Amino acid sequence: DTGVSQDPRHKITKRGQNVTFRCDPISEHNRLYWYRQTLGQGPEFLTYFQNEAQLEKSRLLSDRFSAERPKGSFSTLEIQRTEQGDSAMYLCASSSGQGRNYGYTFGSGTRLTVV
Amino acid sequence: SQQGEEDPQALSIQEGENATMNCSYKTSINNLQWYRQNSGRGLVHLILIRSNEREKHSGRLRVTLDTSKKSSSLLITASRAADTASYFCATDAAGAQKLVFGQGTRLTINP
Repeated sequence: DTGVSQDPRHKITKRGQNVTFRCDPISEHNRLYWYRQTLGQGPEFLTYFQNEAQLEKSRLLSDRFSAERPKGSFSTLEIQRTEQGDSAMYLCASSSGQGRNYGYTFGSGTRLTVV
Repeated sequence: SQQGEEDPQALSIQEGENATMNCSYKTSINNLQWYRQNSGRGLVHLILIRSNEREKHSGRLRVTLDTSKKSSSLLITASRAADTASYFCATDAAGAQKLVFGQGTRLTINP
């Protein structure tokens, strides 16, 4: 297991199109997080899964955004009817849920550009 | 919302010098973590300090935590060109289930 994998690395899409990103976490990690990061800013929390259950969603996650983690393994983040304001780096991270005080392992991110 | 406020926003020093970055936060925490991000890449976990700890070391990194002032500092000693990156503090707040990141410090090490 080489870490958290995200696919694709880059995505350019036209405004109004739908896009889907995939994240494969570290296999023994039961917690998975999605963050969004714009240029010059820190990552902003979007949503969090423990196993297959989506336990928290940010108000940033409008009804155009949906995330899933079927079977508690990989996760997908879909953005429908993309807008230029959706352009950002989308980061996935995973962590062990054995207790608090564990760091996150991040993927390299998917950079979305909406034109 | 971003709980951590980092200071300075940007720092440029000569190779070999020490770099200090500061982070302030607003709520009670379980722990505070520091991450590094190279341009266009994901974040890399550097060090975690628990709320009952005051200082922690890892290689050339030294982190302090003052819960009474709700602040932390990250010291990188004997800086190298490869330390050039953005550094973020992140808080694991009491009662929360996720990390909240600050806006980061952009560190440039000049050879």
